[in-house]
Amino acid sequence: SSELTQDPAVSVALGQTVRITCQGDNLRTSYVHWYQQKPGQAPVLVFYGKNSRPSGIPDRFSGSSSGNTASLTITGAQAEDEADYYCNSRDSSGNHYVFGTGTKVTVL
Amino acid sequence: QVHLVQSGAEVKKPGASVKVSCKASGYTFTSNTMHWVRQAPGQRLEWMGWIHAGYGKTVYSQRFQGRVTITRDTSASTAYMELSSLSSEDTAVYYCAREDNTGWFTFGNWGQGTLVTVSS
Repeated sequence: SSELTQDPAVSVALGQTVRITCQGDNLRTSYVHWYQQKPGQAPVLVFYGKNSRPSGIPDRFSGSSSGNTASLTITGAQAEDEADYYCNSRDSSGNHYVFGTGTKVTVL
Repeated sequence: QVHLVQSGAEVKKPGASVKVSCKASGYTFTSNTMHWVRQAPGQRLEWMGWIHAGYGKTVYSQRFQGRVTITRDTSASTAYMELSSLSSEDTAVYYCAREDNTGWFTFGNWGQGTLVTVSS
């Protein structure tokens, strides 16, 4: 089965840059998408595909991928970026989806 | 704009079933795939399955195969997720999420979530 592994928690100083990683074998063939989830709220898509952000998502969110590892970078983190972040992709069958283990981002 | 409105919180006893609804508006319901995702307290998001609202095709996570049934009522623009043989481990917030028609298989719209509590 496909699994996506993330670091449990990272912290970043206000205005600095933080990178969140996601590892999984299926990432070699599937694109990764990133969701932000704040306490008590539904997830929100913040980055997807090769290089795309949904409308309304600040350009401080960017993504990259190499081999079996994908990354979400927040450049100039703001207090409102403090949240849990989940990566997500499809497995090799293309019919099943999987979420990463999640990373809690704390902005100091 | 797209809205997904889910049914209210449920309390169920172990062994029972629960059926959660997700009413869609703001788009052509039958044009998209609807997914169900759950999140136990303090835990990660967990994908459960999907239904193409037009064709009615379903795919379920192997973890829930045999216990989950996803259906839809096109006349009501509503998707449903029924989970049977509930145990305390099924206590979670259940979300519906619409898959975007961008070709990227992303979930651009989510319901507000439905808390299902399983307790004797």
